Amino acid sequence: EVQLLESGGGLVQPGGSLRLSCAASGFTFSSYAMNWVRQAPGKGLEWVSGIFGSGITTFYAESVKGRFTISRDNSKSTLYLQMNSLRAEDTAVYYCAKISGGGYMDVWGKGTTVTVSS
Amino acid sequence: DIVMTQSPDSLAVSLGERATINCKSSQSILNNSNNKNYLTWYQQKPGQPPKMLIYWASTRESGVPDRFSGSGSETDFTLTISSLQAEDVAVYYCQQSYNTPRGTFGQGTKVEIK
Repeated sequence: EVQLLESGGGLVQPGGSLRLSCAASGFTFSSYAMNWVRQAPGKGLEWVSGIFGSGITTFYAESVKGRFTISRDNSKSTLYLQMNSLRAEDTAVYYCAKISGGGYMDVWGKGTTVTVSS
Repeated sequence: DIVMTQSPDSLAVSLGERATINCKSSQSILNNSNNKNYLTWYQQKPGQPPKMLIYWASTRESGVPDRFSGSGSETDFTLTISSLQAEDVAVYYCQQSYNTPRGTFGQGTKVEIK
């Protein structure tokens, strides 16, 4: 069964850092691009960052560019999101999602909650 | 950036009646090389992650009830629930993947029972 399991969320002060992880299983992780998508409380879905299977090419939303870094360890089938200089508006549930060969996000994790507050 | 706009923001439909959600992209998301529209529809219920319903604008994911259908091309798309069931109460999002992995979402449409 294809599964994604996020971890690493929590409460952090403004200006702080967190690293999220997404453990993948049930598919050949290195063959697929992956995304991070977030959802602020009571709000819609926002694409945050994406990375190709090789890990070489990465993409970021303007709202997080320069503060967040996406990476992956294909030997561990794990996706990461390093979040620095966190702001209150980064408070959200963060989902990782697998991107199918057809370009759509076909598998999602259950999410991990990040709260930025003093 | 491609901007996705859904309408309406919410709708209330009687059980067994049709629900229609529209999604408009700021530019064509039709890939002329394979004639596929890179438009995906997701359903999200409270406390759950999004669930993919339809991809390439009109291809239903395996296991999705056939009361869900998608249509449209280039910039204008529609999700139709032909006969609303109680379990369809959710927020529905469209998302473009024309320049995947970048993928902007519509703002969401909340579907409720009238």
